[in-house]
Amino acid sequence: NAGVTQTPKFQVLKTGQSMTLQCAQDMNHNSMYWYRQDPGMGLRLIYYSASEGTTDKGEVPNGYNVSRLNKREFSLRLESAAPSQTSVYFCASSVPRVSTQYFGPGTRLLVL
Amino acid sequence: DAKTTQPPSMDCAEGRAANLPCNHSTISGNEYVYWYRQIHSQGPQYIIHGLKNNETNEMASLIITEDRKSSTLILPHATLRDTAVYYCIVRVGDDYKLSFGAGTTVTVRA
Repeated sequence: NAGVTQTPKFQVLKTGQSMTLQCAQDMNHNSMYWYRQDPGMGLRLIYYSASEGTTDKGEVPNGYNVSRLNKREFSLRLESAAPSQTSVYFCASSVPRVSTQYFGPGTRLLVL
Repeated sequence: DAKTTQPPSMDCAEGRAANLPCNHSTISGNEYVYWYRQIHSQGPQYIIHGLKNNETNEMASLIITEDRKSSTLILPHATLRDTAVYYCIVRVGDDYKLSFGAGTTVTVRA
């Protein structure tokens, strides 16, 4: 039981490049989330998926797209990376309508 | 959603109890108090939550005042591994989106 896994662990991009961050959970949770955390700040919700087939914007969705591929997987895509997207990205999952979320180890992204 | 106020930092001696305060004076009747922590460079970790009764689990105790306008997270015997940022979050029970503030940076010293 790995919990929530994220790939890659670390990535360096040039401005304008695209990439997809992958997240998977093996806890049979319906709800999944993407957060970003800038240095010295709390986490901010980018997108979430209440259940398979649905996605909704969070607090800071601009510049990102998401795909809920199946119940296990929720990916985050940066179409044209910008230096302002340099951050640590965390994926989480939970049982629906319960605020006990389980977080992955994070992806550290540097955009030059 | 109710806003929370936490001190930015606090120190604690190893082996002693750490008492972390949180003010949530605008909390409404159906909002729960959640606590998470984030150890350096790791993803946040759920600690405990409660509505109005005091709660205890293997990690910590949560004391909520009778008027529910404030709460205290208690780590009964702090260890060096408890050094982390602790987040107090108020959330409606059926709304699962979490909003993290700056939290309290707790440093446990030997």
